[in-house]
Amino acid sequence: DADVTQTPRNRITKTGKRIMLECSQTKGHDRMYWYRQDPGLGLRLIYYSFDVKDINKGEISDGYSVSRQAQAKFSLSLESAIPNQTALYFCATSDSGRGVGNQPQHFGDGTRLSIL
Amino acid sequence: KNEVEQSPQNLTAQEGEFITINCSYSVGISALHWLQQHPGGGIVSLFMLSSGKKKHGRLIATINIQEKHSSLHITASHPRDSAVYICAVSSLSGGGADGLTFGKGTHLIIQP
Repeated sequence: DADVTQTPRNRITKTGKRIMLECSQTKGHDRMYWYRQDPGLGLRLIYYSFDVKDINKGEISDGYSVSRQAQAKFSLSLESAIPNQTALYFCATSDSGRGVGNQPQHFGDGTRLSIL
Repeated sequence: KNEVEQSPQNLTAQEGEFITINCSYSVGISALHWLQQHPGGGIVSLFMLSSGKKKHGRLIATINIQEKHSSLHITASHPRDSAVYICAVSSLSGGGADGLTFGKGTHLIIQP
């Protein structure tokens, strides 16, 4: 079984719908992240969480919200989906070692989201 | 905000060739990561380094902190190495964010 599991793997939906992408991990990591990837652009950080009570906005948080239900679960929601949110979405985890960004990140397999 | 540039954007080579992918960044970092994205989309962490050189199998990663530059080398390349290779950095001035700043990736194709 994968250490970082994203569901669904693919989703096609219509403009205006509410969408939830889910991420669960068995690595026991405190830190979890949501990224989106668009063709021709690098991955960009949407939200991140350092523990259950900690939620932080990333570079492109507008139009998204998150929930850290437990150490192992971090969900990303699109309250009212729009076509330019069509992208590949990745969840990632890392251990909470010393320093900033000094731990490898472990990625899920991605969710391909299409908004018509 | 750190700017991460990778070169080349696309690279096609023959099996067995020595491959070099370059990454440069604009602001001091705490760590640099090399990632591999398979054609199916999954992303795997290859290396994380803050100085010197690391080796894993046929892959070698180097970093020059003074020049703000890193290279990923693949020796004896094989078609299974075909993937997108992504450089990412954790900036020293990350404002508390532990998220990474990513390059756009290098699309590598190794032909038999």
